[in-house]
Amino acid sequence: EIVMTQSPATLSVSPGERATLSCRTSENINTYVAWYQQKPGQAPRLLIYGASTRATGLPARFSGSGSGTEFTLTISSLQSDDSAVYYCHQYVSWPLTFGGGTKVEIK
Amino acid sequence: EVQLLESGGVLVRPGESLRLSCAASGFTFSDYALSWVRQAPGKGLEWVASIDGSGGRRYYAVSVQGRFTFSRDNSKNTVFLQMNSLRADDTATYYCAKDRRPSGTGFGFEFDSWGHGTPVTVSS
Repeated sequence: EIVMTQSPATLSVSPGERATLSCRTSENINTYVAWYQQKPGQAPRLLIYGASTRATGLPARFSGSGSGTEFTLTISSLQSDDSAVYYCHQYVSWPLTFGGGTKVEIK
Repeated sequence: EVQLLESGGVLVRPGESLRLSCAASGFTFSDYALSWVRQAPGKGLEWVASIDGSGGRRYYAVSVQGRFTFSRDNSKNTVFLQMNSLRADDTATYYCAKDRRPSGTGFGFEFDSWGHGTPVTVSS
């Protein structure tokens, strides 16, 4: 099983500042990683797939990068609506696995 | 617009069975794999099972293998998760999720649509 490790567990950022979320995998997954945003009481929402492709309609302030075992989700200018938990997900092999999540808080 | 509507989640006792359903609309149902992903209260996301568009291939998490069965009825645009021998650690909100890409050469990719979830509680 490929283990996904996200850091930090919680990130507190001021509006307008940059937020950088990390996801590390226990094996090389090329670019078979997706990122999701989940707000309280809601289902997850796809943000990024293929490590760097934005989902339809996603604002350009969200970007993904990385390959192999190190991946990053960057929110370039944090807005209050971005307060949520963010998960990475690998789909290179079964079983599919998710990271433990990073909670982004607005300062 | 893609819609996924889960149902069937209730309170059950350990050892009992339950069947969840997910009714889909807004896309060519048989072209896409679907998956179940669960989330225990206050915890992260855990993949449970996936089924390809035809229903011929399925994969399960080790934690549910042998107890859960994932099936689909393409004539009714619905998938089902039969859950047997339920345990307390199966308590979670169960989400139905759709692959972004049609299941041609493979499935179990990124999930571009999710249902609102149905809560399952296993407790005596």
